[in-house]
Amino acid sequence: QVTLEESGPTLLKPTQTLTLTCTFSGFSLNTNGVGVNWVRQAPGKALEWLTLINWNDDKRYSPSLKSRLTITKDTSKNQVVLIMTNMDPVDTATYFCSRSGFDLVGYYGMDAWGQGTTVTVSS
Amino acid sequence: SYELTQPPSLSVSPRQTATIACSGNKLGDKFASWYQQKPGQSPVLVMYQNDKRPSGIPERFSGSNSGTTATLTITGTQAVDEADYYCQAWDKSTVVFGGGTKLTVL
Repeated sequence: QVTLEESGPTLLKPTQTLTLTCTFSGFSLNTNGVGVNWVRQAPGKALEWLTLINWNDDKRYSPSLKSRLTITKDTSKNQVVLIMTNMDPVDTATYFCSRSGFDLVGYYGMDAWGQGTTVTVSS
Repeated sequence: SYELTQPPSLSVSPRQTATIACSGNKLGDKFASWYQQKPGQSPVLVMYQNDKRPSGIPERFSGSNSGTTATLTITGTQAVDEADYYCQAWDKSTVVFGGGTKLTVL
């Protein structure tokens, strides 16, 4: 059974740095083709993809947020960490991590999601 | 930057067919995925590689993708299908989501 769980602070002040951890089980980030994403959703808004780290440590970032994001993985702990700098009230959202990957045909989407963690940015 | 456009809302009667469109430049050249999200819940993958259903997704869900439009079709829509639906694709090695379509079954 594949599970993912997000953890981290629920409240931040403007300009602070957000660090979120995704702890997963049921799969390995050493497996060819597998990746872990971070996706956020502001209240009442659409899903917004932030970043992806792949099994081979290849990293992808949203072009609009690239300068503020860092993603890393610790395969021994089955964890992926998101760092987002210079937080602003507009970054208030639920942050999800998800598994995705590629098979012999191509990209197969985000087939498992965590329950999400709500982050509020307010002075 | 690449954009995927979805109608904000769609209403359908029970047992009718719901067709949710997602448009983007040369979208047919890419793989489209679709996610269902109910209020207060995490998204669920309901279609990938344009027309493949993950295990556990009912057969009434189907998908297609050609030209500039990907389509998610729900045949015999049920009340339980009321949710937000998001399309998603890759462009230049980054992930893009559509703006979402709120499907109302009434």
